[in-house]
Amino acid sequence: AQSVSQHNHHVILSEAASLELGCNYSYGGTVNLFWYVQYPGQHLQLLLKYFSGDPLVKGIKGFEAEFIKSKFSFNLRKPSVQWSDTAEYFCAVNGNTGGFKTIFGAGTRLFVKA
Amino acid sequence: GAGVSQSPSNKVTEKGKDVELRCDPISGHTALYWYRQRLGQGLEFLIYFQGNSAPDKSGLPSDRFSAERTGESVSTLTIQRTQQEDSAVYLCASSRRGQGDEAFFGQGTRLTVV
Repeated sequence: AQSVSQHNHHVILSEAASLELGCNYSYGGTVNLFWYVQYPGQHLQLLLKYFSGDPLVKGIKGFEAEFIKSKFSFNLRKPSVQWSDTAEYFCAVNGNTGGFKTIFGAGTRLFVKA
Repeated sequence: GAGVSQSPSNKVTEKGKDVELRCDPISGHTALYWYRQRLGQGLEFLIYFQGNSAPDKSGLPSDRFSAERTGESVSTLTIQRTQQEDSAVYLCASSRRGQGDEAFFGQGTRLTVV
């Protein structure tokens, strides 16, 4: 079955701390991987995506993610978080075997203390 | 239009009433999704339309839920005989079909069943 698992539901960090949010997926065939972010009171929006090439993907606001095919993982990282990174983060996957239906993880709520 | 548009933005309804939620996707986007987001929870997949293919209804929680889409345009999500547990934000997203294409989200409809 197609699924996305995010390991941390709530994360609290102080400013300047490093961040890593885990994401594992189960999805047959060639996959495309995404991280979306939802800031308080705003739409869900794309943070970064991977569909081919370099497995280390850089996105907006200093975020990056690494696709490790052997581990079915796509973890999100940021070396130094800011208060403005407080948001909910969703990992998502789609692929050709699923007709490009996008499956989302349950989300991780990040709170950054100033 | 410039983005995905959903209406109404807020809906309060009495238990047992039917409601209809509308989504206008981005022009040219062949894929359309409905998700549900309950308070404090992640994104729950409901239904997926892709072009003229049969919709993937595997996420609809009960037969009280149905959705339609005419061609590659507007979609409506109908909930019959609403229950209090239907209270949530209903999100619509659209995307072009293709490898690596991201989903663009609307602002959601906040449904409250009283």
